[in-house]
Amino acid sequence: KAGVTQTPRYLIKTRGQQVTLSCSPISGHRSVSWYQQTPGQGLQFLFEYFSETQRNKGNFPGRFSGRQFSNSRSEMNVSTLELGDSALYLCASSLARDQETQYFGPGTRLLVL
Amino acid sequence: DQQVKQNSPSLSVQEGRISILNCDYTNSMFDYFLWYKKYPAEGPTFLISISSIKDKNEDGRFTVFLNKSAKHLSLHIVPSQPGDSAVYFCAAVIPLSDMRFGAGTRLTVKP
Repeated sequence: KAGVTQTPRYLIKTRGQQVTLSCSPISGHRSVSWYQQTPGQGLQFLFEYFSETQRNKGNFPGRFSGRQFSNSRSEMNVSTLELGDSALYLCASSLARDQETQYFGPGTRLLVL
Repeated sequence: DQQVKQNSPSLSVQEGRISILNCDYTNSMFDYFLWYKKYPAEGPTFLISISSIKDKNEDGRFTVFLNKSAKHLSLHIVPSQPGDSAVYFCAAVIPLSDMRFGAGTRLTVKP
């Protein structure tokens, strides 16, 4: 089975721009979660989608949004980028909603200049 | 607000000895705790978990201890191996509500 894939792997943007990141979960997995990893804050939960519905949301501003498609692929969008948005964005998928069996992708490293 | 804290950013241990990684939390609503291991350029992988109704969970060389009154959990690795060198994150979960991670501890196991 192919693992979780994320595109692009690396991205450079400037302040004020917007960005869309993509995540393809493991085949058959219906839950997709997004996380932000920064050196200072560690891993922070952004949101979780299950069957195209956002079921849980972390403590991030409305500039961070996402969606899930009928094939379980998910996209995350960040608008009006700020320097502090520079981070590794990780996507994880699972069959249902079980953090133990979450499988993480390699991440998208975003640099905001 | 950092509801989950790993106060040691790094830890160095000799091969064969015990590694102890610590994690503190502030929200008593957290009901479930997990440890993840992360190698460079890879996503985190689940390691071990513990429910708040237990105070210890063991899986091979890895044992997690939970002290609810102190809001503290720790991961013990015995014996430590060079392949254990990675960044370890603890996570705390309020089911159906929230999940918070610590900042991570970089473990280096020296041969």
